[in-house]
Amino acid sequence: AQSVAQPEDQVNVAEGNPLTVKCTYSVSGNPYLFWYVQYPNRGLQFLLKYITGDNLVKGSYGFEAEFNKSQTSFHLKKPSALVSDSALYFCAVSRISGNTPLVFGKGTRLSVIA
Amino acid sequence: DAGVIQSPRHEVTEMGQEVTLRCKPISGHDYLFWYRQTMMRGLELLIYFNNNVPIDDSGMPEDRFSAKMPNASFSTLKIQPSEPRDSAVYFCASRTGGSGTDTQYFGPGTRLTVL
Repeated sequence: AQSVAQPEDQVNVAEGNPLTVKCTYSVSGNPYLFWYVQYPNRGLQFLLKYITGDNLVKGSYGFEAEFNKSQTSFHLKKPSALVSDSALYFCAVSRISGNTPLVFGKGTRLSVIA
Repeated sequence: DAGVIQSPRHEVTEMGQEVTLRCKPISGHDYLFWYRQTMMRGLELLIYFNNNVPIDDSGMPEDRFSAKMPNASFSTLKIQPSEPRDSAVYFCASRTGGSGTDTQYFGPGTRLTVL
């Protein structure tokens, strides 16, 4: 079975500082990994995904994520946080073999403080 | 494309009433997913369809919940009778078929309040 863990419910960071939102996964076989962001009263918006190739994936709004197979992690990062990055972030995993739905983590609330 | 469209955006109803949520997926997408989001349980997959056929409804909480997809451009999620614990935000999402690499796109959600 696939699963995703986001160990932090809340991450606080000062504006201009780098941010990291953590995600670890469990899946049989090779994973497809996704990050989504949810702003208040909105649906989930796609940020980026890892399918294969370069372990560092770049996405929307200056975000990037690093796939680490040995640590089964896919942490979301941004070099310099903005107040407008404050939102709920979801990591999700799908399995390569078989057309299975995404399994989402519980989400991490990011607060960027001015 | 207008993206995934959901209606209504907000629904307030009384316990025992029937509630119908609607979703129009992105044109050309083969998969459609219904999710429920609550503070306590996070984002839960309720049911998903492939080419209008329900594939997995194991996430549907009770027989009070039912979902249909009569054609490629329309799906409904019905709750009958509704209960206060059904209060949540319900999301519809769609994606193309082929493989799990394809991105799921979410609608804006329907906020359901059952009094």
